[in-house]
Amino acid sequence: DTAVSQTPKYLVTQMGNDKSIKCEQNLGHDTMYWYKQDSKKFLKIMFSYNNKELIINETVPNRFSPKSPDKAHLNLHINSLELGDSAVYFCASSQVLQANYGYTFGSGTRLTVV
Amino acid sequence: DQQVKQNSPSLSVQEGRISILNCDYTNSMFDYFLWYKKYPAEGPTFLISISSIKDKNEDGRFTVFLNKSAKHLSLHIVPSQPGDSAVYFCAAGRSGNQFYFGTGTSLTVIP
Repeated sequence: DTAVSQTPKYLVTQMGNDKSIKCEQNLGHDTMYWYKQDSKKFLKIMFSYNNKELIINETVPNRFSPKSPDKAHLNLHINSLELGDSAVYFCASSQVLQANYGYTFGSGTRLTVV
Repeated sequence: DQQVKQNSPSLSVQEGRISILNCDYTNSMFDYFLWYKKYPAEGPTFLISISSIKDKNEDGRFTVFLNKSAKHLSLHIVPSQPGDSAVYFCAAGRSGNQFYFGTGTSLTVIP
């Protein structure tokens, strides 16, 4: 009964491939996020969806496309993977109006592009 | 452009002593601040928060102090325990908007 679950946990793939990371939350939250933690350990927001609508889209290459089929799911599809995409990707969710509890994060997906 | 900075990448503290983790932010409009704790191979977990209307919030061994004029917050852990060894992320933002995270401080509590 994990609150925010993302799959797979590890993903090793070759340059040029297309891959997806899935995320699901069972907390009833209305907002979901994708964060990227790069080699410098920055946790940078990539996308945010509120009730299936895109509300934050930071400067991320077009090769990254989020898909939210419903408010409990936010998947991340990456086309034409590059070496620089190697990072840990975290999914998170929150009730936007309840800032005092912040976000609930998934356990991360370590993507390695070779 | 880093809006939240944690200038100490690591900190070692003896068990039983106080751990002080620091965080600075640049945007004076930020009104909510959070600390997260992260163990290896896990996602960050919420630890404690403070809003800009307060300058201190306490939860058991954890206390967060906010100095708005200096745009600085700190997390105090007293007494430190070996189980506290983790990476601590500071986050700041405006309520209802996204939060910006620092790069984390790796705390090691030595038994």
